[in-house]
Amino acid sequence: AQKVTQAQTEISVVEKEDVTLDCVYETRDTTYYLFWYKQPPSGELVFLIRRNSFDEQNEISGRYSWNFQKSTSSFNFTITASQVVDSAVYFCALSVLMNTGFQKLVFGTGTRLLVSP
Amino acid sequence: DTEVTQTPKHLVMGMTNKKSLKCEQHMGHRAMYWYKQKAKKPPELMFVYSYEKLSINESVPSRFSPECPNSSLLNLHLHALQPEDSALYLCASSQEEGSNWNTEAFFGQGTRLTVV
Repeated sequence: AQKVTQAQTEISVVEKEDVTLDCVYETRDTTYYLFWYKQPPSGELVFLIRRNSFDEQNEISGRYSWNFQKSTSSFNFTITASQVVDSAVYFCALSVLMNTGFQKLVFGTGTRLLVSP
Repeated sequence: DTEVTQTPKHLVMGMTNKKSLKCEQHMGHRAMYWYKQKAKKPPELMFVYSYEKLSINESVPSRFSPECPNSSLLNLHLHALQPEDSALYLCASSQEEGSNWNTEAFFGQGTRLTVV
């Protein structure tokens, strides 16, 4: 089965705390992409990062960082010094190759992050 | 311009109505998508168009009818919907990358549909 598991349904933190959102995936493909998207209350999905399965380097972008570990099939996302504006639902997603040659996104169930002042 | 624009933002329709959702992008992307997202659930793929042709239909009921009039526009025609079809409908677009489609999709804000 090809699926994404985000075990944390909801996380509440106080501003300036660090928070890590977990993502575990299963796939039979040898080449795949992993993504994180942010969905604020306004509804749109905001792309945060795409990671190729052959690139296990961790990535940092400002207060955001991602830890990709193929050995444990995990792609965790850390927000450092969280802010109220980080409050949103965060989705981890896996690209799945379809027989048409397209790759579709399979999303995890999402983690709702609440950052209070 | 890195936007995907969807109209309307909200729609309430009766089960006998016919309505359409519209999506527009001007990024030159040649793949466009419809996703359905129920409350507190992740988005689920419905349709994919590439080069204005329907490439993927994820076994969506015929009461949902997609249309791609040109490379910038994507419509979703709705007819005889059920209350359980109430959801957020998201449009997305992406760019071709080599022999694969770059699934770094750009999403619109969605149309929140309520069927009464």
